[in-house]
Parts: sequence; C-alpha cells; structure tokens
Amino acid sequence: AQKITQTQPGMFVQEKEAVTLDCTYDTSDQSYGLFWYKQPSSGEMIFLIYQGSYDEQNATEGRYSLNFQKARKSANLVISASQLGDSAMYFCAMRDKTSYDKVIFGPGTSLSVIP
Amino acid sequence: SQTIHQWPATLVQPVGSPLSLECTVEGTSNPNLYWYRQAAGRGLQLLFYSVGIGQISSEVPQNLSASRPQDRQFILSSKKLLLSDSGFYLCAWSALLTPLHFGNGTRLTVT
Repeated sequence: AQKITQTQPGMFVQEKEAVTLDCTYDTSDQSYGLFWYKQPSSGEMIFLIYQGSYDEQNATEGRYSLNFQKARKSANLVISASQLGDSAMYFCAMRDKTSYDKVIFGPGTSLSVIP
Repeated sequence: SQTIHQWPATLVQPVGSPLSLECTVEGTSNPNLYWYRQAAGRGLQLLFYSVGIGQISSEVPQNLSASRPQDRQFILSSKKLLLSDSGFYLCAWSALLTPLHFGNGTRLTVT
C-alpha cells in the first residue's frame, strides 16, 4: 500500500541558508511519481517540483531541488538560499502505477525561516 | 489555460444540517477530480476521487458522499453534518500523471 512519511513536524532555518525537508515513501510499484507542495498560511496549495521514478536526473526548479534516492525510497526537498516567504507547510505526495488516479500526501513539515 | 473554481470560501453550518460543496474545472476535458480534507495543522486526507462522469472512488467511510454529474463538476455532500466534519476542504484536478492543481479551498465549521 502507498504510504508517505515526513518525520520532521517542524523545522527552522536561517534566512539565506539551505534546508532539507525529508520524505520517505513506500510502494511496491516500479513506476511512480513524487511531488512536493507548499501551503502558506493562506491555505492555497502550490506545486513545487515533480520527480518520476524513471527520471535519471534529480529534479530542479529554481531554488528547489529534489534529492531522489530510489533504493532508499527517499525524496527529500532541498530549498537553497531560504527566504522569509518560504515559511509555510510543505507536503510530499505520491502516485504510483497501481493507483495512478490516487494521490496521497504525507503529514507535512512546517518550515519557519528566521531573519 | 485551466482554472478550478471552488465555493464557498467559508461556511458555518449547524450539526445535523446538509452540506453541498461544488467544484468546477475549466479549460480541460475528462480531468481526474479529487476531494481532500485537512484538519487544522494536519496533512491532507483523500476523501474521494473520480476518473470520469459517475465514477467515484471513496477512500474513507464516513457520512460524506461525492458526485460527478458533469465532466468538469465535482460535488461533495452530506445529509447530516457532524462536528467532526469541520475542516478545510480542497478540490483538485489533474490530467493523467500530472501534478494536482488545487482550488482555494472551503473552510467548514460545524457548530
């Protein structure tokens, strides 16, 4: 069965520093996709980055990069040069081949950027 | 471009009253549609998803139901609300294998 684990309920990072948010997943499929979303206090869900299980390169989008370690089933989000506006909840999500139409989310990590 | 509309933004309802939340998508056809619920400070719980008109998959047994009367319309309903139904409800759509695109959500308070 699909499962997403985010073991860091809350994280603090100094402005301009990099931070890594952890995500591990469980699936028996070889074909799956991993996503990261940002949720500011306003509640909107903002898509950040996507990694396919067959992608050979780690995904990058601006200051966001995904450290994908397939054998360890981890897909950590790295935010470089943190900004005050990065303070938000961050969710890891997954869909796999068996249940392509179902997307499940992890419990989230609350990130606070300190000036 | 595609857009998703979800309303109302906030709702206060008494226990035992009915509920109807509506979500519509524009600019795409045959989208996958989803309803999630988020309790305060918690993650997203998948409630229902639909891959086509009249096709609804329920993830969590509860007093909520969903319907998809048209290709780009997804409705979340309840005949009698419980206090535990309070939360932030999010509608989302996706094409096959693409990221989810979310509406702005409905904050439901059951009193």
